[in-house]
Amino acid sequence: DQQVKQNSPSLSVQEGRISILNCDYTNSMFDYFLWYKKYPAEGPTFLISISSIKDKNEDGRFTVFLNKSAKHLSLHIVPSQPGDSAVYFCAASAGAGGTSYGKLTFGQGTILTVHP
Amino acid sequence: DTGVSQDPRHKITKRGQNVTFRCDPISEHNRLYWYRQTLGQGPEFLTYFQNEAQLEKSRLLSDRFSAERPKGSFSTLEIQRTEQGDSAMYLCASSPIYIYGYTFGSGTRLTVV
Repeated sequence: DQQVKQNSPSLSVQEGRISILNCDYTNSMFDYFLWYKKYPAEGPTFLISISSIKDKNEDGRFTVFLNKSAKHLSLHIVPSQPGDSAVYFCAASAGAGGTSYGKLTFGQGTILTVHP
Repeated sequence: DTGVSQDPRHKITKRGQNVTFRCDPISEHNRLYWYRQTLGQGPEFLTYFQNEAQLEKSRLLSDRFSAERPKGSFSTLEIQRTEQGDSAMYLCASSPIYIYGYTFGSGTRLTVV
């Protein structure tokens, strides 16, 4: 039962253009969403997050959009840089209260390649 | 602050042997998590601790797996009677309480032959 899905295994973008990574979820109890970036031989690195009470959160070149009715979130990277080439994971949590607070459910990942 | 440290980075073991991994979290972090990642998949939750208390275990964690966090500091994950299906990257992460964007270590890659 894949509760968080990233349906695009890979994405290739030209340097300077926009990268859009997508993620869908099925569990209505998820109320906090995150994106992680992972380089080879390293652990995932936290990138940006969004609470379900918002529909947009921005941090520099990175913006996350949340569409709760569609159970869909996306990560926009503008402008894309070659150093952004990595695997991107979206993750979700069913959050506040209860012992599962902080436990994350991850998608399968999307490999982003930014060409110079 | 040197981040989250995991030891060893790589482990090759024969099927049926026991293995133990160690994780040293960021010192002021109360929460410590273990995840497992296989090729082409995202990390899967195994278990987590708040200080020394183990608060949740995944159904993925069979009886052959055990984790400890004595004194709320470092943690160990032991796998007994390893099977080939245990081959994966084992990731540890830590965070302060009520912070989701936790810090991962570089992982321990286990290969069972």
